[in-house]
Order: sequence, then structure tokens, then C-alpha cells
Amino acid sequence: GQQVMQIPQYQHVQEGEDFTTYCNSSTTLSNIQWYKQRPGGHPVFLIQLVKSGEVKKQKRLTFQFGEAKKNSSLHITATQTTDVGTYFCAYRGYNTDKLIFGTGTRLQVFP
Amino acid sequence: GAGVSQSPRYKVTKRGQDVALRCDPISGHVSLYWYRQALGQGPEFLTYFNYEAQQDKSGLPNDRFSAERPEGSISTLTIQRTEQRDSAMYRCASSLEAGYYEQYFGPGTRLTVT
Repeated sequence: GQQVMQIPQYQHVQEGEDFTTYCNSSTTLSNIQWYKQRPGGHPVFLIQLVKSGEVKKQKRLTFQFGEAKKNSSLHITATQTTDVGTYFCAYRGYNTDKLIFGTGTRLQVFP
Repeated sequence: GAGVSQSPRYKVTKRGQDVALRCDPISGHVSLYWYRQALGQGPEFLTYFNYEAQQDKSGLPNDRFSAERPEGSISTLTIQRTEQRDSAMYRCASSLEAGYYEQYFGPGTRLTVT
């Protein structure tokens, strides 16, 4: 499976600022999932998107799946120190359940 | 336990030795996945099972790596004749069913080959 690229690789923000990470694929994806991994921890599932143009919100987090289903974004409004970690997008290929993870975006939040 | 458990949490072995890493999924979860994660990178798929059947082993790097899940519950990932390049965090995940379901990851086994 083709790896999806995430940008930026790193992001340092002041607490209270917004943050966005982008996940880009050169091919159409059937679905996209987002995971958060705290430093020293394991990946934790956040959400799954499957429909073209889908937007889902979880409190301060907004997830989007592009119209062409080739890209996705995660936006965090008013970051908090608890948002620190690495955010990965991942997709499941057609006719398989294996997950292919993106390169990840590491977020650091300064108080 | 409530979550996925893995043992051992840390394993240091000498090059050339065989190692067996164990994963105990969430009770009742049909699907079980193995990943390898290098520092600062995303998990890299190795193999997965639905019940006891290995569905996809395309991610296993070479024939030194094998996995089994004989009774559809606990799984073992075995690495024979370990090499230094095998050093990594090995993670197991499980999901309720095959298909569009979230995966629950375990704490991982940190393998160091000296």
C-alpha cells in the first residue's frame, strides 16, 4: 500500500492557538482514520471518515475528508497542553483490513 | 483486562536468537493485527488475523518473521535468528470485527537486538 504524506512534520504552537494537519494521497481512498499517540504511549483511535466531503466534529477537533477522497485534515481549535502528541492518519485499502499509516505530525503546545 | 495486553514489554536479545512476542487482544475481538513502529514513525503493518485465520501477511519483512493465532484469541509473533535491524517497537491491535472498525492498540513490546 502507498504511504500517505502528512504535513507539517512538526508544529509548535502557543496554547490557545489553532492547529491543522493535512493528510494527502495520490490515489483515491475508501476511508480515512485518525489516531493520536501521546509521547511514550500507543496510538488511540479518534475517528473514521468514509464519505466524500464528510466533516465530523469532536469538541475542539474537526475532521474533514476531501471531495475527491484523496486528502483529509484535522483541525484543533484553541489548543491545550493535553493536545500534545503525534497525530496519524491511516487508511484501509480496498478488500483488506490492514491499515496504512501516514507519516504523522508531531504537535508541541507551549503553555 | 479491559485493553490489549502484550508481553514482554521489553525484550533484549542477542543477535541470532529467536524471540516470541505475545499479544492478548480484547476479549471477543475477531481481528488481530501486528505492526512494527520505528521511533518517530507511524506503525508499519506486518500481518493480521480474523479469528485464527491469517488474512494478510504481506507486511512481514522476510521469512524469519511468522505469526500465529491458533485458537482465535492470543497471538504470537516469532522472529527467528534476530538481527540488529529487527530492533523496534512491536505493536498489536485488535478490533471487534473485520471491516470498518477502529483498532485498539496495546502498549507494545520494545525489542532490542544487541
